[in-house]
Amino acid sequence: GENVEQHPSTLSVQEGDSAVIKCTYSDSASNYFPWYKQELGKGPQLIIDIRSNVGEKKDQRIAVTLNKTAKHFSLHITETQPEDSAVYFCAAGMYSSASKIIFGSGTRLSIRP
Amino acid sequence: NAGVTQTPKFRILKIGQSMTLQCTQDMNHNYMYWYRQDPGMGLKLIYYSVGAGITDKGEVPNGYNVSRSTTEDFPLRLELAAPSQTSVYFCASRDRKGDRDMNTEAFFGQGTRLTVV
Repeated sequence: GENVEQHPSTLSVQEGDSAVIKCTYSDSASNYFPWYKQELGKGPQLIIDIRSNVGEKKDQRIAVTLNKTAKHFSLHITETQPEDSAVYFCAAGMYSSASKIIFGSGTRLSIRP
Repeated sequence: NAGVTQTPKFRILKIGQSMTLQCTQDMNHNYMYWYRQDPGMGLKLIYYSVGAGITDKGEVPNGYNVSRSTTEDFPLRLELAAPSQTSVYFCASRDRKGDRDMNTEAFFGQGTRLTVV
């Protein structure tokens, strides 16, 4: 089955700097890679997703890149702001199957003022 | 907009007790899921359902049971609570894209923090 590894587990960056979170997956059949943000006391919320027919996707200050050959994908947050402080989860699964999706272990991002 | 609603928000159980975590969604989503979240371990899938009357095991189903008698509700049952079941539990739902089983955004509830002592 699919296995997703996420690094780092914690990340602290200065406000205004960029943050990068990396994930690797094991199942070469996976072709759907969402990222979720979890704020304190809340459930995770989708912030961006990418399918394997695309190498990069951007939405304002966040972007995700995918390297299918190496089976890794990354989340990039530029010009970080205090509201970016949260736990971020990557996940991998099949776009053609909404039955289940496997999550990484999470990255706690802290933005220093 | 209610979305996905979980009850209770917090619960303390004694070892061997049983309880049901409730989850209901008002978005008419076909797919529903139960996850547990342990510190540093991310989200692990316990059970999922692709529609009323259909359930299947996820990564960590032992010690749990589910049912899906309606589209809206997907309760999670713990029969004999154990300390290893201390965790935060999240229910989620996902829409189905037309007639095709395509992955879409999952909507999560706010979680139930369960402590077994």
